[in-house]
Amino acid sequence: QKEVEQNSGPLSVPEGAIASLNCTYSDRVSQSFFWYRQYSGKSPELIMSIYSNGDKEDGRFTAQLNKASQYVSLLIRDSQPSDSATYLCAVKAVGSARQLTFGSGTQLTVLP
Amino acid sequence: KAGVTQTPRYLIKTRGQQVTLSCSPISGHRSVSWYQQTPGQGLQFLFEYFSETQRNKGNFPGRFSGRQFSNSRSEMNVSTLELGDSALYLCASSLGGLAGTYNEQFFGPGTRLTVL
Repeated sequence: QKEVEQNSGPLSVPEGAIASLNCTYSDRVSQSFFWYRQYSGKSPELIMSIYSNGDKEDGRFTAQLNKASQYVSLLIRDSQPSDSATYLCAVKAVGSARQLTFGSGTQLTVLP
Repeated sequence: KAGVTQTPRYLIKTRGQQVTLSCSPISGHRSVSWYQQTPGQGLQFLFEYFSETQRNKGNFPGRFSGRQFSNSRSEMNVSTLELGDSALYLCASSLGGLAGTYNEQFFGPGTRLTVL
């Protein structure tokens, strides 16, 4: 079992719809959760961080965390063609000896 | 505040050669992590340096090494290059704390290495 799993996609949604991206993780002591966006040919860009159970909203983005279910998701409201990218989920357990672990990413396409 | 910078941006080498890549973190960041990204394997963790000490190491052969200087700048070296080393090499910096926002990593633009 991979430590951080994401549906590889591709996920296609029409412009203006809500895109839902999901991520599960295996390490129960994980404490920090991140979503990165990576455009083709570019480096990953941090778009959301979440540390506590529940929802965290930032503009059109909402991150949701459920530690009991070991599940983190990212919702993108009013999706735009410019949101078309690969979205990477990353998880880190507490402690200096634990590295940031990335999922393989979900490719999102927003259709005009 | 300036972002993470990496040099060079592109590099072409031949098998058997060695290469050194450089990363300058965001000012005030003490942790630098290195990743290899390929289409087939995704983002693979190489190592992390914090205050000039290697804090974590991924599952890569000893041909891959790194170091960090007192100003937090970091270099990684790959010796005896193989064709499979062709990849995008990314560095990311963070404040380097143990939890919360101190863990947020910010990536540089990457170095695209091609091994012929």
